[in-house]
Amino acid sequence: AQKITQTQPGMFVQEKEAVTLDCTYDTSDPSYGLFWYKQPSSGEMIFLIYQGSYDQQNATEGRYSLNFQKARKSANLVISASQLGDSAMYFCAMREAFEAGTYKYIFGTGTRLKVLA
Amino acid sequence: KAGVTQTPRYLIKTRGQQVTLSCSPISGHRSVSWYQQTPGQGLQFLFEYFSETQRNKGNFPGRFSGRQFSNSRSEMNVSTLELGDSALYLCASSLVLFSEQYFGPGTRLTVT
Repeated sequence: AQKITQTQPGMFVQEKEAVTLDCTYDTSDPSYGLFWYKQPSSGEMIFLIYQGSYDQQNATEGRYSLNFQKARKSANLVISASQLGDSAMYFCAMREAFEAGTYKYIFGTGTRLKVLA
Repeated sequence: KAGVTQTPRYLIKTRGQQVTLSCSPISGHRSVSWYQQTPGQGLQFLFEYFSETQRNKGNFPGRFSGRQFSNSRSEMNVSTLELGDSALYLCASSLVLFSEQYFGPGTRLTVT
């Protein structure tokens, strides 16, 4: 079973509109972390936002917010007021306990977002 | 503050050769992780180092190895290269374990 599922391989959004990128996860670890990264065509991964499993409030970072629905195991990224520079691949990732006190990061397959002028 | 740097940025090697990639983390960061990114497999975790010790390892063969130095710089080595090792290798650093990771620009390795 996929640990991180991003069901939208590609999305379009009009400039200045909001867009939601979906991410569902699966873990039995009670203390996990969820991340979103942006990867422009240049290849560099850019950290956007983090949500801890025990965080009561949804994380926000500027135009980015994470819609965390723990019971549904959902961690959707919301980008408000889209800009042309937001066109990129977006990855959802999870950090979970692995074994013997270690942990691992698991990435989804990504969603390619294209912002239209 | 300078970001994560990776050298070289591009590399072409022949099957059977070995290669060493280098990663310098953000100043003050003590954890370094390595990932392989390919179109077919996506992003896959290779290993993570913290305070010169390998803390975790992904499901890669023993041909893939790494190390971390006292200044937190890390190197990754791949021996006996195979065509399937062609990928973008990303290094990420974090301040401590469990904190968010900041990625470098990657090294694009092509094996011919």
